[in-house]
Amino acid sequence: GAVVSQHPSWVICKSGTSVKIECRSLDFQATTMFWYRQFPKQSLMLMATSNEGSKATYEQGVEKDKFLINHASLTLSTLTVTSAHPEDSSFYICSARVRDYEQYFGPGTRLTVT
Amino acid sequence: AQSVAQPEDQVNVAEGNPLTVKCTYSVSGNPYLFWYVQYPNRGLQFLLKYITGDNLVKGSYGFEAEFNKSQTSFHLKKPSALVSDSALYFCAVRLVSGTYKYIFGTGTRLKVLA
Repeated sequence: GAVVSQHPSWVICKSGTSVKIECRSLDFQATTMFWYRQFPKQSLMLMATSNEGSKATYEQGVEKDKFLINHASLTLSTLTVTSAHPEDSSFYICSARVRDYEQYFGPGTRLTVT
Repeated sequence: AQSVAQPEDQVNVAEGNPLTVKCTYSVSGNPYLFWYVQYPNRGLQFLLKYITGDNLVKGSYGFEAEFNKSQTSFHLKKPSALVSDSALYFCAVRLVSGTYKYIFGTGTRLKVLA
């Protein structure tokens, strides 16, 4: 149980376009999901906390207008990278909160902006 | 400030030998501690957690970790390493607040040599 999926697993987009990444909890409901960013050979950096039915909470230094997060249902959160630029290229990982102390992670989405 | 430290960027160990990947933490209150493993271009896989109870926690794939409150450490161990254990390992702590956020260590790359 507690499987989290992400789609797409890999995406290439042109500079200036927007791309949407989906995070789904497949067999459970998640009121809270998290979005992380991971640069090559580095740790995970929390970008934002996504709560179903309310606005996301962004970490300091993360541009909320650039990284739009929507958590419209208990099983789906989306991250939209708007007007993407090459420096947005990264590995994006979502997780879903299961119980108070545990998160289950998705397989990640590699974004390449050309 | 709350933090998690993994002092070794890389650990090399011969196949069949015991392995240890170190993690120390600095958080207020009683921490919830986790170990995750990441294979290339993949998300994080849960290995084990410490919430309360026995200081020695057993997890997936033969891994275990020992919680040491006085030394604020949570080192990951395995009695006999396999080449397939080669991966990136992350220690994480859940903040003991209502936000459910995790803080991740910087990661340790484990290389098991045949």
